[in-house]
Amino acid sequence: NAGVMQNPRHLVRRRGQEARLRCSPMKGHSHVYWYRQLPEEGLKFMVYLQKENIIDESGMPKERFSAEFPKEGPSILRIQQVVRGDSAAYFCASLRDTEAFFGQGTRLTVV
Amino acid sequence: QQQVKQSPQSLIVQKGGISIINCAYENTAFDYFPWYQQFPGKGPALLIAIRPDVSEKKEGRFTISFNKSAKQFSLHIMDSQPGDSATYFCAAKYRGSQGNLIFGKGTKLSVKP
Repeated sequence: NAGVMQNPRHLVRRRGQEARLRCSPMKGHSHVYWYRQLPEEGLKFMVYLQKENIIDESGMPKERFSAEFPKEGPSILRIQQVVRGDSAAYFCASLRDTEAFFGQGTRLTVV
Repeated sequence: QQQVKQSPQSLIVQKGGISIINCAYENTAFDYFPWYQQFPGKGPALLIAIRPDVSEKKEGRFTISFNKSAKQFSLHIMDSQPGDSATYFCAAKYRGSQGNLIFGKGTKLSVKP
């Protein structure tokens, strides 16, 4: 029973490029959260997705950030025209009832 | 506005001692309160969770105490071990399947041998 899979684990992008972060939830789970974590800080909620539906995107920046969870395939967090301030660890979690199980994260570095 | 307030920010405990981390919340729409443990470079791992209809839940050395009237809950780690050194996050989830999960800012625990 594989856990939540995130890839890539590390991603380096130059300013202005696009970053695509993928999350495959646990088998049978149809809801995912995305969080951002800065060094030595807590987990900041970004978006809550169901397959083919955005439930809550109140934590998403208004520009450059988007997320989707298609009927088939992984959930994708997309950051366009990255800036240095986007450098962080991005975690997704999949839900079974109320329990959230986290992946190992993608560490994005913008140079 | 911080919806879940966690303290202390950092904690040093001797091996064998009790580690206590506290959280407080304001929104009565929360109805599920988990604790997560995170090691450096890893994702948070669910440790233990409680619902507001019980006042205490124990799993091994980990206990959650919940005070609904005060809107506070705490994590107690008995017989703390160096391997428990990690960052601990409390969280709260809104009632219903549509609710998102809100985290406290974390407590960095260091258990000294």
